[in-house]
Amino acid sequence: EAGVTQFPSHSVIEKGQTVTLRCDPISGHDNLYWYRRVMGKEIKFLLHFVKESKQDESGMPNNRFLAERTGGTYSTLKVQPAELEDSGVYFCASSQRQGNTEAFFGQGTRLTVV
Amino acid sequence: AQSVTQLGSHVSVSEGALVLLRCNYSSSVPPYLFWYVQYPNQGLQLLLKYTTGATLVKGINGFEAEFKKSETSFHLTKPSAHMSDAAEYFCAVRGSGYALNFGKGTSLLVTP
Repeated sequence: EAGVTQFPSHSVIEKGQTVTLRCDPISGHDNLYWYRRVMGKEIKFLLHFVKESKQDESGMPNNRFLAERTGGTYSTLKVQPAELEDSGVYFCASSQRQGNTEAFFGQGTRLTVV
Repeated sequence: AQSVTQLGSHVSVSEGALVLLRCNYSSSVPPYLFWYVQYPNQGLQLLLKYTTGATLVKGINGFEAEFKKSETSFHLTKPSAHMSDAAEYFCAVRGSGYALNFGKGTSLLVTP
């Protein structure tokens, strides 16, 4: 069974540009989460989808970040326009259903904004 | 709010020695606690979790952790370190909803 897959693995963009990160969760997993780790700091929650609906987006830093999960399958996280402080590793995780406590993580996308 | 604190950003042990990674939590409700490991160039992998029941939890690769409510701790241990245990370890507590609140991580170095 395929795990959580994230694309790209690395991205280097200039300040002001747009970047879109993609996450393919494990098939059948209704819950999808985005997290971010800025260098030297802890992994922080960004948002949570249940199927195609945003359950909790309290961790989204500002309106330059837009997450979508059309059809309840894969998800995208767009940063527009990117700023230097957006650099970090973005993790996606999925879990099977509400109340299931184990989330499976992808390898992460390392975003560098220069 | 639920949070965790990991003591020591870097821990070094000799191969064969005891591994002890410390994690203290703060939670206003009975906590769900987790340890994840990240090997180089890989994603986070669940080592073990505590939800309810037995306070000594066994995980993969010989790791275990004990939930101690009186000490608000959930330390990770392994009796004998192996070179392949070198990685970054994260303690986490489930926050409001189903999101995880992570500690800053502890990098484990295993020396020959």
